[in-house]
Amino acid sequence: AQSVSQHNHHVILSEAASLELGCNYSYGGTVNLFWYVQYPGQHLQLLLKYFSGDPLVKGIKGFEAEFIKSKFSFNLRKPSVQWSDTAEYFCAVNTGGFKTIFGAGTRLFVKA
Amino acid sequence: ETGVTQTPRHLVMGMTNKKSLKCEQHLGHNAMYWYKQSAKKPLELMFVYNFKEQTENNSVPSRFSPECPNSSHLFLHLHTLQPEDSALYLCASSQDGQVNEQFFGPGTRLTVL
Repeated sequence: AQSVSQHNHHVILSEAASLELGCNYSYGGTVNLFWYVQYPGQHLQLLLKYFSGDPLVKGIKGFEAEFIKSKFSFNLRKPSVQWSDTAEYFCAVNTGGFKTIFGAGTRLFVKA
Repeated sequence: ETGVTQTPRHLVMGMTNKKSLKCEQHLGHNAMYWYKQSAKKPLELMFVYNFKEQTENNSVPSRFSPECPNSSHLFLHLHTLQPEDSALYLCASSQDGQVNEQFFGPGTRLTVL
């Protein structure tokens, strides 16, 4: 069965530290890839997406993600986190049609 | 009102009650979704509607009954729920199945006593 694995359930960083959140999926065909973010008290919103083209995609608030097809990965990165980046981050994979598979999420806490 | 709205935001119900969750999207999208979000578990897709037609039913128990009267409105009718059904229920919409970026509502926090 298709699945999405997020390696870290909880991450704690200090401000200005670099961030990398891992995401791997199990599907051998064409995929559309997403990172969603849920800030405290707010609804899930799209951070960035990859459909095709340049495997390095840039999203809002300085986030970027790299699609490495050979590794079935779509890791999220940010060079320098801020306290306001404290949130839960979800990786998601769509293999066509309406069914999108979400990972279990990574809770990021950034210490001021 | 913009985006995706859900009512109520919080709901407490007994196992014998019947209640309904409502979702409305103001984005002109054609597809709408119900998800269940439980602590420490991935979002679970429950139902998908495209142009009012159900396209996905992810083996959801019959005590959850969806209704989609038009592309802008989606309901989830609840009856004889179990305590393990307590969760955050999220509604989302997307333009269609090809452009599958989803826009989420704030969710309904459901507690079943």
